[in-house]
Amino acid sequence: NAGVTQTPKFRVLKTGQSMTLLCAQDMNHEYMYWYRQDPGMGLRLIHYSVGEGTTAKGEVPDGYNVSRLKKQNFLLGLESAAPSQTSVYFCASSYSLRSFRAYNEQFFGPGTRLTVL
Amino acid sequence: GENVEQHPSTLSVQEGDSAVIKCTYSDSASNYFPWYKQELGKGPQLIIDIRSNVGEKKDQRIAVTLNKTAKHFSLHITETQPEDSAVYFCAASEDSGGGADGLTFGKGTHLIIQP
Repeated sequence: NAGVTQTPKFRVLKTGQSMTLLCAQDMNHEYMYWYRQDPGMGLRLIHYSVGEGTTAKGEVPDGYNVSRLKKQNFLLGLESAAPSQTSVYFCASSYSLRSFRAYNEQFFGPGTRLTVL
Repeated sequence: GENVEQHPSTLSVQEGDSAVIKCTYSDSASNYFPWYKQELGKGPQLIIDIRSNVGEKKDQRIAVTLNKTAKHFSLHITETQPEDSAVYFCAASEDSGGGADGLTFGKGTHLIIQP
């Protein structure tokens, strides 16, 4: 199993440009999450999804949109990038209906480093 | 919402000594407390977790303790080794049995193991 994968690994944008980050998981997990990590700030939740076709806002949702058209994929979009969105973005997934493990045990991808100039 | 405070932000210990990282949380409804280890350039990895119905949990050199009354929990690493050098994050959430609330993380502790 590849676990959680993220595409791309690095990206540089100019202010106002748009882009989509792709997260994929092969663990048949129900829940997926997008976090951003900034120096000295830990990880903060942007959006999350409890199932295909559903999304919800997290702690810092402004400036981002998400979609979960397929169970295994969770997309994070930036419509008009701003320098404040320079960060490392992590996707995570959790909870398989066939697993007895904790609902909240989250598995993280390797991250996408985004720079907005 | 939940707020998680983590201390210290940097911890340097001699190889072989013990390391302790402490976290406090604010929401009494939180009942799931994981610890993640993040190595440079990688995503966080779960190393141990504890639920509110347990006061202590141990896995080889790593242990976590929880004091629900005081709303704090700690990570203990014994006999530290060079490969323990990393950033460690504590987190909290309410495991509502079917809910999917994201984790609230502390700001991290950079653990440095001195040879």
